[in-house]
Amino acid sequence: DTGVSQDPRHKITKRGQNVTFRCDPISEHNRLYWYRQTLGQGPEFLTYFQNEAQLEKSRLLSDRFSAERPKGSFSTLEIQRTEQGDSAMYLCASSPTSGRAETQYFGPGTRLLVL
Amino acid sequence: RKEVEQDPGPFNVPEGATVAFNCTYSNSASQSFFWYRQDCRKEPKLLMSVYSSGNEDGRFTAQLNRASQYISLLIRDSKLSDSATYLCVVNHHYGQNFVFGPGTRLSVLP
Repeated sequence: DTGVSQDPRHKITKRGQNVTFRCDPISEHNRLYWYRQTLGQGPEFLTYFQNEAQLEKSRLLSDRFSAERPKGSFSTLEIQRTEQGDSAMYLCASSPTSGRAETQYFGPGTRLLVL
Repeated sequence: RKEVEQDPGPFNVPEGATVAFNCTYSNSASQSFFWYRQDCRKEPKLLMSVYSSGNEDGRFTAQLNRASQYISLLIRDSKLSDSATYLCVVNHHYGQNFVFGPGTRLSVLP
């Protein structure tokens, strides 16, 4: 399967713990996006990378959230000192920079539950 | 006011019906527009891009009215497999900052 993959698929943690999620985009895609989705809502943009450069961050992304894409391939999203309000589906998407550059391909998501 | 708004739904329609979804956006600088489909507990998938002249893909027709900042999706001859949530998506800056609407859920009933 050469699609976008995310790991883990599910994560249950206690409030105050740190969690880290990983996203592996489609290999030839330069652009990588992180979104958060809660029940009954559309995905909310969190941050965007072009290669290893983080070009945009939403104001939703508090200082407890950090994302990296160190070699321009996979990306990690870390949430420190988790809160119950962080419970959501975290989606990663990738897109190419040429051709159908605006088509985003989503991974299956990581579902986070903070107790 | 949300940046992208959609019909609240849900829409429950019989097989074979025609159904239309509406979407409005507030940022007049928006450059590109899409409809995504999301099945229950799955990731969103691109259904179609929306072009200024309107475009059709089989049973699906998308329209854009830039002056009114309005996008629509028409589904003809609906199938049971069309049951999903339909997300309107607006892009302000090419390739960046995609804004999703809350989605409209469709249930096609036998």
